[in-house]
Amino acid sequence: DQQVKQNSPSLSVQEGRISILNCDYTNSMFDYFLWYKKYPAEGPTFLISISSIKDKNEDGRFTVFLNKSAKHLSLHIVPSQPGDSAVYFCAASGGSGTYKYIFGTGTRLKVLA
Amino acid sequence: DVKVTQSSRYLVKRTGEKVFLECVQDMDHENMFWYRQDPGLGLRLIYFSYDVKMKEKGDIPEGYSVSREKKERFSLILESASTNQTSMYLCASSGTGGSPLHFGNGTRLTVT
Repeated sequence: DQQVKQNSPSLSVQEGRISILNCDYTNSMFDYFLWYKKYPAEGPTFLISISSIKDKNEDGRFTVFLNKSAKHLSLHIVPSQPGDSAVYFCAASGGSGTYKYIFGTGTRLKVLA
Repeated sequence: DVKVTQSSRYLVKRTGEKVFLECVQDMDHENMFWYRQDPGLGLRLIYFSYDVKMKEKGDIPEGYSVSREKKERFSLILESASTNQTSMYLCASSGTGGSPLHFGNGTRLTVT
């Protein structure tokens, strides 16, 4: 049972426009959410996180929004740059397995120059 | 900066071999993890450890074991490698609760 879902395997966006990556979760006990970026042949790198007591967290061009009632979070990248082209994973933790981070299947973002 | 180092970037092993994947972190983190990444399946947790000599099964532990004799080192062991264990293996570490995972660069394992 996939507790963290990224339903869009890929997304293409023009340079300078907004990229919106979506993530849904099913476990209401999750209380900490993260986004990671992964280039080929490298490990994922941490981008931004949000705890369940907030509904928005911003860091430069990256903003994460959390809608707890809908069990949905999204990552906004504004403006998108060609270097943002990568696979993005959302992850969640909390509840009975506090040390466990459950990852989604990833969304491949391509930013077109 | 946190550094998580995986001993090999690429490995090719034969079916039935015993395989060791080594991981070392330099930030005195309590928690260490092993994930595998497969296309369309994302990152799946194999095992994790929250203290020396402590380990817990993740979501897909079958066919794997782990060892954590020192705080900085976490080893993944494939007792008898099989072709369905061909994958990208990622080690990660984190501090106490609520801190992000820091990943190594991964080991691409091919079992033939």
